[in-house]
Amino acid sequence: GENVEQHPSTLSVQEGDSAVIKCTYSDSASNYFPWYKQELGKRPQLIIDIRSNVGEKKDQRIAVTLNKTAKHFSLHITETQPEDSAVYFCAASKNTGNQFYFGTGTSLTVIP
Amino acid sequence: EPEVTQTPSHQVTQMGQEVILRCVPISNHLYFYWYRQILGQKVEFLVSFYNNEISEKSEIFDDQFSVERPDGSNFTLKIRSTKLEDSAMYFCASSVDWQRNEQFFGPGTRLTVL
Repeated sequence: GENVEQHPSTLSVQEGDSAVIKCTYSDSASNYFPWYKQELGKRPQLIIDIRSNVGEKKDQRIAVTLNKTAKHFSLHITETQPEDSAVYFCAASKNTGNQFYFGTGTSLTVIP
Repeated sequence: EPEVTQTPSHQVTQMGQEVILRCVPISNHLYFYWYRQILGQKVEFLVSFYNNEISEKSEIFDDQFSVERPDGSNFTLKIRSTKLEDSAMYFCASSVDWQRNEQFFGPGTRLTVL
């Protein structure tokens, strides 16, 4: 089955700096890679996703890059703000099924 | 904006008891999922459901678990005889269709088995 690894487990950045979270996956058949943000006590919220037919996708301060050859994808948050503080999860899924395989999460703290 | 809802938010039960966790998916969604998250660990897939039947299930989803869509709006997860290790946050999710993939999560039910 698929195995998704996520690093780092915790990340602290100064407000205004960039944050990068990296994930690797094992199954080359995976073709959909969402990122979820989970604030304390709240539901995971989809913030951005990417499919295997593109290498990069951007939405305002958030971007995701995908390297299919190396089987890794990354979340980039620029100009971080305190409200970006949360746990971020990456996931992977394949079009032969629709279950998500999640990473272990990254706790991001943005220091004002 | 429509959201997935779950009840109860917290369920405490004795080991060996049956529990039913309830979810109301987003109304025009066709695919439904249950995930669980043991404290401090990753979110794990349990089961997906489409057209009134299970489409995928993980190794975690053994005979103690079952899912049902008893009416046009609810989607339930039943654990027949709870164990201590079933203590976790259980998330329901739904998606419009399989191809689009985006899954929208509910707020979760925290299950505590004593």
